[in-house]
Amino acid sequence: SQQGEEDPQALSIQEGENATMNCSYKTSINNLQWYRQNSGRGLVHLILIRSNEREKHSGRLRVTLDTSKKSSSLLITASRAADTASYFCATDEYGNKLVFGAGTILRVKS
Amino acid sequence: DAGITQSPRHKVTETGTPVTLRCHQTENHRYMYWYRQDPGHGLRLIHYSYGVKDTDKGEVSDGYSVSRSKTEDFLLTLESATSSQTSVYFCAISRDTQNTEAFFGQGTRLTVV
Repeated sequence: SQQGEEDPQALSIQEGENATMNCSYKTSINNLQWYRQNSGRGLVHLILIRSNEREKHSGRLRVTLDTSKKSSSLLITASRAADTASYFCATDEYGNKLVFGAGTILRVKS
Repeated sequence: DAGITQSPRHKVTETGTPVTLRCHQTENHRYMYWYRQDPGHGLRLIHYSYGVKDTDKGEVSDGYSVSRSKTEDFLLTLESATSSQTSVYFCAISRDTQNTEAFFGQGTRLTVV
């Protein structure tokens, strides 16, 4: 399979807590992206990190990239009920193809 | 919102019949993708296009064909639908693959009975 792996598969936390999701990929990349999907909807882009970057922030989101370990993490701080969704990473590791991981289902309980 | 629409949004079809799903964009983006989403598998790439009449296979291309005769339209065809092709299909577009985001359509729920 060309798909990368994400863990955990599912995560349940209380509102206000931080949520961390991890993504691993298999070969070299130019960039790695994170997307969110609310139930039954299309995916929405959250953040893109280039291979020469190690960390990037956007609001309550913090993404790190470790190319030596071929892995990335997405941290959502001070989570809200509205953050409940599935989160996917995607890479361009196979050239023109945009390949997604299997995703992490996040549930934030209020 | 990016100008990308999928049609139909829902379809029920019988095994063995041909089915065509349409993705239409108004953004003039070069790349277009078709994915299927199934529980436990996330999004899997079926086919993608990097220009008019330029297409290539993804990870799960068996049983599917695509065509792109103009920039704005990318068609996905199931030549002879099978129950294993019951899924939610998403189209996506992007300007390039280097450093830009992809925009997704709302999805097509296909049921093969």
